[in-house]
Amino acid sequence: GAVVSQHPSWVICKSGTSVKIECRSLDFQATTMFWYRQFPKQSLMLMATSNEGSKATYEQGVEKDKFLINHASLTLSTLTVTSAHPEDSSFYICSARVTSSSYNEQFFGPGTRLTVL
Amino acid sequence: SQQGEEDPQALSIQEGENATMNCSYKTSINNLQWYRQNSGRGLVHLILIRSNEREKHSGRLRVTLDTSKKSSSLLITASRAADTASYFCATATSNTGKLIFGQGTTLQVKP
Repeated sequence: GAVVSQHPSWVICKSGTSVKIECRSLDFQATTMFWYRQFPKQSLMLMATSNEGSKATYEQGVEKDKFLINHASLTLSTLTVTSAHPEDSSFYICSARVTSSSYNEQFFGPGTRLTVL
Repeated sequence: SQQGEEDPQALSIQEGENATMNCSYKTSINNLQWYRQNSGRGLVHLILIRSNEREKHSGRLRVTLDTSKKSSSLLITASRAADTASYFCATATSNTGKLIFGQGTTLQVKP
């Protein structure tokens, strides 16, 4: 199947700093990527939909100024957690939708564990 | 918001037994998908069932979909210790690609 990578796989940062997470589709083009957040022992919560060449669409309750999303190419989307605080500590997972798919086929990245001290 | 509700939340069985997980959802769907997640890892896509399908098989997996009851079930037959993971259903309500995940079932298969 198609491969999606995330970088970094884990990051520890101090409160108040910004952290950038990259999501790449390695062997296919993805006009749409999705960002999820998962707290321990919980399910995935969709944060935003990232569309190549346009602004991201955020889910209700997700602060767009805090979670900046850039989808500059068909293979890369980035999520920047700005002024991170301990409550932002979570597992962030991206997925990429295969452009030609008519059945919402998505491939998920391995996730990035963010710990804010 | 989370659309799917799954039960049981946790399931512990012996290797070789079958495991059944259920998922219910609230609105009309385009398709329903099942994923597996090993602890601390990303998701692995298991199977997709379209709204006009009632049953689908893939290896040891069997998925059913009852749109009248807005529910789906995932059956894993002849379970193995390696099946130990969390299992999530996810519904797609349109062709936008957005998936709404259920709360998940944590399966433990004891050797």
